[in-house]
Amino acid sequence: QVQLQESGPGLVLPSQTLALTCSVSGDSFSSGGYYWSWIRQHPGKGLQWIAYIHYSGKTYYNPSLKSRITMSVDASKNQFSLKLSSVTAADTAMYYCARYHSNSGDNYFDYWGQGTLVTVSS
Amino acid sequence: DIQLTQSPSFLSASIGDRVTITCRASQVISSYLAWYQLKPGKAPNLLIYGASTLQSGVPSRFSGSGSGTEFTLTVSSLQPEDFATYYCQQLNSYPITFGQGTRLEIK
Repeated sequence: QVQLQESGPGLVLPSQTLALTCSVSGDSFSSGGYYWSWIRQHPGKGLQWIAYIHYSGKTYYNPSLKSRITMSVDASKNQFSLKLSSVTAADTAMYYCARYHSNSGDNYFDYWGQGTLVTVSS
Repeated sequence: DIQLTQSPSFLSASIGDRVTITCRASQVISSYLAWYQLKPGKAPNLLIYGASTLQSGVPSRFSGSGSGTEFTLTVSSLQPEDFATYYCQQLNSYPITFGQGTRLEIK
């Protein structure tokens, strides 16, 4: 069974960089058919896909956030990370990490973490 | 970006009811559509992918249909644990986008 767990500070100052890590347990981290993703949900709002990364380091970013995002992967630790720079109150959200299955024509996010709430405030 | 519009945004129903949620895409997305269930404090749960394929472990009372631009999620007989918020998601083109959600509450 694959499990994902987000970690990082719950409070970030405006204009600073939000940094989150997702730890993956179970099989599959270095499997070619999977990508590792971040998704967020603003309070009381819908979901927004942020980015995902392959264990090889190949990345795909949401164009609306691309200038502020950096994703990285540490395959030796089964972890991947998100950095979002120059944050504002609009970046306050629940941040989820998830596994993106993209193989054999089927695409979906099949395993998710429980989420970590990040508040941007001074 | 592809816009997904869910209807209704809010649904009140009773245990045992059959309910249907619709998701309309602003462009053709073939069958690259998934449905998720979200509950507070829990990891989101994949229900359906490829518009109609039931994810392993998901009860058979959930079903999905559609292709192109119009899709539906149906729950054949609501159970207490089904009261949650449901989202559709398109994976046809970047950026991946979600519908605005449908909140399903007990009547």
